[in-house]
Amino acid sequence: DAGVIQSPRHEVTEMGQEVTLRCKPISGHDYLFWYRQTMMRGLELLIYFNNNVPIDDSGMPEDRFSAKMPNASFSTLKIQPSEPRDSAVYFCASSLGVMGRAYEQYFGPGTRLTVT
Amino acid sequence: GQQVMQIPQYQHVQEGEDFTTYCNSSTTLSNIQWYKQRPGGHPVFLIQLVKSGEVKKQKRLTFQFGEAKKNSSLHITATQTTDVGTYFCAGPTSGTYKYIFGTGTRLKVLA
Repeated sequence: DAGVIQSPRHEVTEMGQEVTLRCKPISGHDYLFWYRQTMMRGLELLIYFNNNVPIDDSGMPEDRFSAKMPNASFSTLKIQPSEPRDSAVYFCASSLGVMGRAYEQYFGPGTRLTVT
Repeated sequence: GQQVMQIPQYQHVQEGEDFTTYCNSSTTLSNIQWYKQRPGGHPVFLIQLVKSGEVKKQKRLTFQFGEAKKNSSLHITATQTTDVGTYFCAGPTSGTYKYIFGTGTRLKVLA
């Protein structure tokens, strides 16, 4: 398996522009997580899905952020409009979940977002 | 809300010295996971502990889950330059798959 795939790997955009980050989870995994990592705030969970359904989006910073998972093999995280404080590395991770037990999360390589 | 703290934040050691990082949760955890992130890389799963007082070993790495299931530690014996990176613990919010990651301990190993 190729692992979790994210694109783009790097994104530089101007303030006010729309940014879309993409993720392909490992086939067969039923949980998908979006994280943001910064020096100041560490690794933060933004949202996670189970079987394509958003379960907890309490970590989404504000309405400018939205995430979708139209099918089991694809998810997007969109920021509109983007702001300089959104600059961070965004990771997507996937895992298997079985009732009463959580399995390890497999992280993608991340997308380094810079908003100028 | 639930918080997961790690100490120390940074650690510099000479190659061959031992290293320990400690993880403390504000709430009792059903399990705890450990991850390693190399500089410029992504977190990679190391291990999961489930039972109170559990101890697991992976070569030079020893992981322990506290009796109260609120703390954990990772000990590396005789560090090597390949051990460089940031070590994170992560614990789930009660009854969910939402994992809260600790603040991380950044390890540097001087050759």
